[in-house]
Amino acid sequence: AQKVTQAQTEISVVEKEDVTLDCVYETRDTTYYLFWYKQPPSGELVFLIRRNSFDEQNEISGRYSWNFQKSTSSFNFTITASQVVDSAVYFCALSSQGGSEKLVFGKGMKLTVNP
Amino acid sequence: EPEVTQTPSHQVTQMGQEVILRCVPISNHLYFYWYRQILGQKVEFLVSFYNNEISEKSEIFDDQFSVERPDGSNFTLKIRSTKLEDSAMYFCASTPGNRGRGAETQYFGPGTRLLVL
Repeated sequence: AQKVTQAQTEISVVEKEDVTLDCVYETRDTTYYLFWYKQPPSGELVFLIRRNSFDEQNEISGRYSWNFQKSTSSFNFTITASQVVDSAVYFCALSSQGGSEKLVFGKGMKLTVNP
Repeated sequence: EPEVTQTPSHQVTQMGQEVILRCVPISNHLYFYWYRQILGQKVEFLVSFYNNEISEKSEIFDDQFSVERPDGSNFTLKIRSTKLEDSAMYFCASTPGNRGRGAETQYFGPGTRLLVL
């Protein structure tokens, strides 16, 4: 069965600090996809990134970066120079290729960025 | 930019009543999903729907739940006889349904917050 673990439940930082959100996954599939979603206080789920299991290159998008390490089954997310608007719950999710491709979510990590 | 829409944004109902949650997926998408999120908890898969039939459902999706695509644009989730524990945020999502290109990004609607009293 697939599983996503986000061990941190809540982190509080001061603006401009860097913060890393951890995600560890379990799957028996050789082809799978990893996602990060952001859920701001307004409640919607905002897509951030999709990564397939064959692409271990790190990705950077502005202040956001992702580190995918297959050897440790981790897909960590770093926010550099955090801002108050980054305050949200962040979910890591996993999907297999084929079938319904449903998402299996982690429990989420609440990030609070204080001014 | 096209987006998934959901109505209503909030619904309050009495235990035992039927509710229908509505979703309009992105127009050229073919695969649809419902998820739920109990307050403060993780997002859980309920059901996926493709080609007018359920392709997968979770153990949460029991006989009290049903889904339908009544026309070319709407996708509905019906709960026949609501229970207190059905109180949650319900999210609809859709993907283009181009299988063979890998698991596609699911775009979520804003959610319907259901409160069962």
